[in-house]
Amino acid sequence: DARVTQTPRHKVTEMGQEVTMRCQPILGHNTVFWYRQTMMQGLELLAYFRNRAPLDDSGMPKDRFSAEMPDATLATLKIQPSEPRDSAVYFCASAPDRGSAFFGQGTRLTVV
Amino acid sequence: GESVGLHLPTLSVQEGDNSIINCAYSNSASDYFIWYKQESGKGPQFIIDIRSNMDKRQGQRVTVLLNKTVKHLSLQIAATQPGDSAVYFCAENKKNTGNQFYFGTGTSLTVIP
Repeated sequence: DARVTQTPRHKVTEMGQEVTMRCQPILGHNTVFWYRQTMMQGLELLAYFRNRAPLDDSGMPKDRFSAEMPDATLATLKIQPSEPRDSAVYFCASAPDRGSAFFGQGTRLTVV
Repeated sequence: GESVGLHLPTLSVQEGDNSIINCAYSNSASDYFIWYKQESGKGPQFIIDIRSNMDKRQGQRVTVLLNKTVKHLSLQIAATQPGDSAVYFCAENKKNTGNQFYFGTGTSLTVIP
């Protein structure tokens, strides 16, 4: 059963700490997305990769957020330093070429 | 204190009735649309998609209708069941942007047993 796997599922951290979220996309999918979901903004696209190359990260605060794909089986989203306003659920999704995106279960981040 | 957030449209239907969830999209260049279902504590789940060369597509108990003239999308759920209670999102993909999808605010569906 192919699925997008995200770790950790939950993360509580103190303000100023580094947070790294990981995603294993579905094998064979060449596009990977990072979304953030909050009550205030809904689902926002932060960044996406195609064939491991970043195509658009305009939705991401560049000063503290970074997204990478070290290889085809791993995507990471890093926040350094984290702030309370970063508290949200972060979703990773993957898609085949011009196909629908399949979402992971999300990482619920709380920054205190 | 008072919580502030998105004002999600809500829809309550009786179990067994049909549900219709609407979505207005913004970009006339969008040519691929997807409906997602998100249950509490889970990620959005693909339900059905439609490309702009079609007006209607049917799945199991679900039908998506696309009206390009008024940039409107609807999801019809037949014989709604309690398990259909969730937030439903439409997502649009603009032509020649690869797989970049933009999501609407969502509609919260509650099925009354």
